[in-house]
Amino acid sequence: DAGVIQSPRHEVTEMGQEVTLRCKPISGHDYLFWYRQTMMRGLELLIYFNNNVPIDDSGMPEDRFSAKMPNASFSTLKIQPSEPRDSAVYFCASSSTFGSGTRLTVV
Amino acid sequence: QKEVEQDPGPLSVPEGAIVSLNCTYSNSAFQYFMWYRQYSRKGPELLMYTYSSGNKEDGRFTAQVDKSSKYISLFIRDSQPSDSATYLCAMRASGTYKYIFGTGTRLKVLA
Repeated sequence: DAGVIQSPRHEVTEMGQEVTLRCKPISGHDYLFWYRQTMMRGLELLIYFNNNVPIDDSGMPEDRFSAKMPNASFSTLKIQPSEPRDSAVYFCASSSTFGSGTRLTVV
Repeated sequence: QKEVEQDPGPLSVPEGAIVSLNCTYSNSAFQYFMWYRQYSRKGPELLMYTYSSGNKEDGRFTAQVDKSSKYISLFIRDSQPSDSATYLCAMRASGTYKYIFGTGTRLKVLA
């Protein structure tokens, strides 16, 4: 089992650009989570899905953020337009197993 | 006040020491408690998972939950330099999978 696969590992983008983060969860896991980690705020839950259905998106900071899970093997987190304050490490977790994260820098 | 409080450390101990890591919380509805270990530039890794009050042991690790005091602990026996990492507590209430994380305690075990 390759675990939770996130791509890209690193992303540097300019303010105002659209950013898409991708996640392939572990097969058979019913829950998928998107988290954001910063030094100031720690690890925060953005949204989670159960059987591909969004259950709680109360952690999504604003309308610039959106997440989808079109099928059991793929999810995306999109930021449009991106801002410097979105710079963070974004983690996808399949049940209690985390991916390696995407380090996003918005300049 | 944050829902989950955790001392950020760093906590430095000599190899072989017993380490105690703690979190306090304010929401009495929390029933499920987890401890994660996170190495630098890696994702968190689940160490322990407990439900309600009591103790749970797994090798050198023991998790304790005291719901009356809203206090959870992770003990590491015979600590090793490889235990040097940030330890995060997480918890949730029944009926939701919205986990609230502590900010993490950075541990350094000195050889």
